Amino acid sequence: DADVTQTPRNRITKTGKRIMLECSQTKGHDRMYWYRQDPGLGLRLIYYSFDVKDINKGEISDGYSVSRQAQAKFSLSLESAIPNQTALYFCATSDFRDLIDTQYFGPGTRLTVL
Amino acid sequence: GENVEQHPSTLSVQEGDSAVIKCTYSDSASNYFPWYKQELGKGPQLIIDIRSNVGEKKDQRIAVTLNKTAKHFSLHITETQPEDSAVYFCAASFYNQGGKLIFGQGTELSVKP
Repeated sequence: DADVTQTPRNRITKTGKRIMLECSQTKGHDRMYWYRQDPGLGLRLIYYSFDVKDINKGEISDGYSVSRQAQAKFSLSLESAIPNQTALYFCATSDFRDLIDTQYFGPGTRLTVL
Repeated sequence: GENVEQHPSTLSVQEGDSAVIKCTYSDSASNYFPWYKQELGKGPQLIIDIRSNVGEKKDQRIAVTLNKTAKHFSLHITETQPEDSAVYFCAASFYNQGGKLIFGQGTELSVKP
């Protein structure tokens, strides 16, 4: 969905480096999410935010941190990258309209940690 | 804990045949069940969804059915075409987690010409 953008789209880094992945949305949604995708493991939730002042850990938050700078921006950081964090990372947004969490995904960031 | 199980993990069909993907969920309070399609190199995109007050929903060649008693729901694709080849994810909302979604593990569908 072009309304949800992620930067960078591809990144190769080395073990121990600090990495930031950024997500921006123009949909005006309050809710934002960060997922990780590994082959055969589907989409696993890292962190989520229901509004600017709300940050929650997902099922695999260890080794990651996030920042919700504004309604439109939600960043994911790897403080000290390790090879098993090599994966596809997706940002998603939703407005929870009618109490329904329809999520819209960005194009993804492919991260490789050497 | 809350979870969503999806089967099969891979599915290969001939063009023109039907494909069925099944999911089960654990939270009887779940009220929303979307399906996403992920094409190679792209993010998942919503293709159809169903709410708990509806048993079936159809959109052209795709349909979703929901059995609340058994806590399972299915995606049906008829007259499959090569462009249907993708990874499909089911998801269910979980009431006690602010209604957010939990995703199944995904099904890689291959439609052979």
